[in-house]
Amino acid sequence: SQTIHQWPATLVQPVGSPLSLECTVEGTSNPNLYWYRQAAGRGLQLLFYSVGIGQISSEVPQNLSASRPQDRQFILSSKKLLLSDSGFYLCAWSDTPVPPRGYTFGSGTRLTVV
Amino acid sequence: DQQVKQNSPSLSVQEGRISILNCDYTNSMFDYFLWYKKYPAEGPTFLISISSIKDKNEDGRFTVFLNKSAKHLSLHIVPSQPGDSAVYFCAASDQTGANNLFFGTGTRLTVIP
Repeated sequence: SQTIHQWPATLVQPVGSPLSLECTVEGTSNPNLYWYRQAAGRGLQLLFYSVGIGQISSEVPQNLSASRPQDRQFILSSKKLLLSDSGFYLCAWSDTPVPPRGYTFGSGTRLTVV
Repeated sequence: DQQVKQNSPSLSVQEGRISILNCDYTNSMFDYFLWYKKYPAEGPTFLISISSIKDKNEDGRFTVFLNKSAKHLSLHIVPSQPGDSAVYFCAASDQTGANNLFFGTGTRLTVIP
């Protein structure tokens, strides 16, 4: 069966520091991969999605970037964190653009920028 | 621009009663709708979905109703149980091409024992 791993679970980082969040999927190949962010009082906002290695689409301009160095690995990065980057970050995967049960999400990373 | 809206940030219901969570959308191209349930410090999990060719879908205690003319859907939970206490997200997609699920802001449901 397919599983999705996301780490770390919580992270406290100072303003201006770099960020790297990692997500891996097991049990499938060539998945669609997504990074979402849940900020306070807002819904789940799509940040990036990828349909293949090296293919990244950005949905919103921001201080973040994403990379997909391997088929089942998706990384969210920042060179210099801002206070506004605080939030709950979720990685998700699907095997089709929108499967009947939607996307499968990881357990999330709570990022607090101080 | 929020294309999917959940105007009630929170809802409290007595155990055993009905919980009704509402969701509105603005994009008439959306043709598939989902509800997700999310516990604290966890990722959202799929709950129930409905296609635009239907107006109702039922799964056990959960029923989703879709009113296309009003661009409105609702999730009914009957009877509500304390374990249903969570944040519920409505999501919508345009399956013709958008590689995206659009999510609402969520409604926190508290079921009081």
